[in-house]
Formats: sequence, structure tokens, C-alpha cells
Amino acid sequence: GNSVTQMEGPVTLSEEAFLTINCTYTATGYPSLFWYVQYPGEGLQLLLKATKADDKGSNKGFEATYRKETTSFHLEKGSVQVSDSAVYFCALSDQNTGNQFYFGTGTSLTVIP
Amino acid sequence: NAGVMQNPRHLVRRRGQEARLRCSPMKGHSHVYWYRQLPEEGLKFMVYLQKENIIDESGMPKERFSAEFPKEGPSILRIQQVVRGDSAAYFCASSPSKQSYNEQFFGPGTRLTVL
Repeated sequence: GNSVTQMEGPVTLSEEAFLTINCTYTATGYPSLFWYVQYPGEGLQLLLKATKADDKGSNKGFEATYRKETTSFHLEKGSVQVSDSAVYFCALSDQNTGNQFYFGTGTSLTVIP
Repeated sequence: NAGVMQNPRHLVRRRGQEARLRCSPMKGHSHVYWYRQLPEEGLKFMVYLQKENIIDESGMPKERFSAEFPKEGPSILRIQQVVRGDSAAYFCASSPSKQSYNEQFFGPGTRLTVL
């Protein structure tokens, strides 16, 4: 079946530090992969996505590359800011299984000045 | 273009009461998904609907929970005879088509508290 395994948090970094949040997946077909961000008390917002192997999604300084050989979609940012503090969710969608999203458990990031 | 609307944002119910959660998808979107987020957990799929049809309800509890998406009006998630374990954030998402590469657009959620 489909599933997403995400690096557990919480993660605390100093401002301008490098960020990596690991995400690996299992899928029955050829999934699309997503990173969503959730700020306190709000819904999820799409951060970036990749729809096929070797695609790189990027947005607001965040990047993730769809690696089929390692079934991974790790999120990276070179220099985090206090405003990046949020919960980050890795997710996949697979049309073979009805288009529902499968989410990881989320990784809480706190960036301190 | 307004985003996905959900109401109420917060809902408090006593055990045994009914909870009704509403979701209006983005304009032009005919695919609606409901997810539940328990404290400290990720989102779990509940149900996928198109107008007047339930496409996939594999994530819905077999009892007390139902969903609809009528021809006119918002999608409704109904929980009958709520119990404390139903306390969670319920998110609605919509998409313009069933293609898996389409992102789903999420509403702000309804936070249900059962006393």
C-alpha cells in the first residue's frame, strides 16, 4: 500500500542554519509528491511538489527532489528564518488508489533568533 | 478567488450531540476531500466526494459518520452521537480534477471539541 514516513521532530534550529527534513515513501504506482506547511491554528498550504522522478520542486528557498531509486523526497533549505517555524508535512497522491493524499506525521520546526 | 471555506472554525459539542461541519470548495472545483487530524498526528483521509456522489469512503468510520456533497450548497460532514474520541481538527480540501498531480487546496479546518 501507500505510506509516507517522515523524520520525527521536533526540530529546533538557529536562524540561518541549514534545514533537512527527511521523507521516504512507499507506493503501488507512480505517485506525485508534495510538501505542505501548517502554521499554528491554520490549514495546510502547499509548499512545493514534484510529479515524476528526478523532478525538483522549489518555493521560498525550500527544495525537494523526487528520488525514485531511494523512494525519497527530502525537504531542504539553505538558511532558515524565524518565520519558517511551522509544521511540515510530506504527502503523496497516487491516482491508482483514488487520489486521496497520504500524509506523514509532520515535523515541527522552531527557528530561534 | 476565494479559497476553501469551512465553518464553523470551532465547534463544541457534548457527548451524544450531533456535529455538522461545512465545506465550500474553491470556485470551479468539483472534487472534495475530508481529512481528520488528531492531536500530534498527521492528516488521515476520510472521504472523497464529487457533486452528488461519494467516490471513496474507505477512511470513514462505519458508524455515526456520514458525508454528502449536494448539487447545490456546501459539502457536509456529519457526526452523530459524538464521543470524546471525535475531538480533532477536520480539514476539507478541494481540487479541480481527479489527476493525482493536482495539489489539493485546504481549508482552515474545523476544530471539534467534545465535552
